Amino acid sequence: DGGITQSPKYLFRKEGQNVTLSCEQNLNHDAMYWYRQDPGQGLRLIYYSQIVNDFQKGDIAEGYSVSREKKESFPLTVTSAQKNPTAFYLCASSITPAGKTEAFFGQGTRLTVV
Amino acid sequence: RKEVEQDPGPFNVPEGATVAFNCTYSNSASQSFFWYRQDCRKEPKLLMSVYSSGNEDGRFTAQLNRASQYISLLIRDSKLSDSATYLCVGEGLAFGKGNQVVVIP
Repeated sequence: DGGITQSPKYLFRKEGQNVTLSCEQNLNHDAMYWYRQDPGQGLRLIYYSQIVNDFQKGDIAEGYSVSREKKESFPLTVTSAQKNPTAFYLCASSITPAGKTEAFFGQGTRLTVV
Repeated sequence: RKEVEQDPGPFNVPEGATVAFNCTYSNSASQSFFWYRQDCRKEPKLLMSVYSSGNEDGRFTAQLNRASQYISLLIRDSKLSDSATYLCVGEGLAFGKGNQVVVIP
C-alpha cells in the first residue's frame, strides 16, 4: 500500500532532550512538509522540502531542524531550543510543490515533553 | 502570515439541516484550493478540491469566489458523521484554523 508513515505515534521526552520524528513516504512525491498543531488550533508550517537536498523554513521553524537526504524520508528534529515542544506533529507530502496538488498526511506523532 | 482565515465556530447544526461556511484568502494569485476534514485527534484527509467552476460531491458543494477572495463549503442534509473540523487550504499549503461542525441529533 502506498502511503505516508510517521513514527512513533506517541513520544515522551524529558525537557532539554532533542528528539527526532520520523516521516517516510512511498508515494514518489517530490514535496514534503512538517506541521505542528496545538489543541483547538490549525496547522502551522514548520519546514517544507520541494526536492531532495533542499528545504525551506516555514512560519515556525525556530527550535526545529530537518534533513532531506532521500526522496522518501523527511525527519524532523525537535531541539532543546524549542520552548514549547508538546504538540501534535503532522507530516505530509504532495506530488508537486507549493500546494498546487492535494497533500497526503501521515497519522501524526503526539509529542509530550515533561 | 495569515493567508487563509476561517471562523472556527463551533457550528452547531441540527441533523438534516444545511450548513455553509467560508474561508477567505489573501493571495489573489492563488489557483489551487482544497477542503480537508479532520476528525478529533486524527490527521486531515482530503474532502474535495475547489475548482473555479465549483465542485459538488454528493451532499458537499465547494465554491470559489475570486472577486471576494473566498472559498465556501456547503453541507446538505447533515449527518451525525459529518461532525468534524473542516480545514481550507490554499497554495503554499497554508491552512486555516478550521470550521468545527457539530451535528446535533
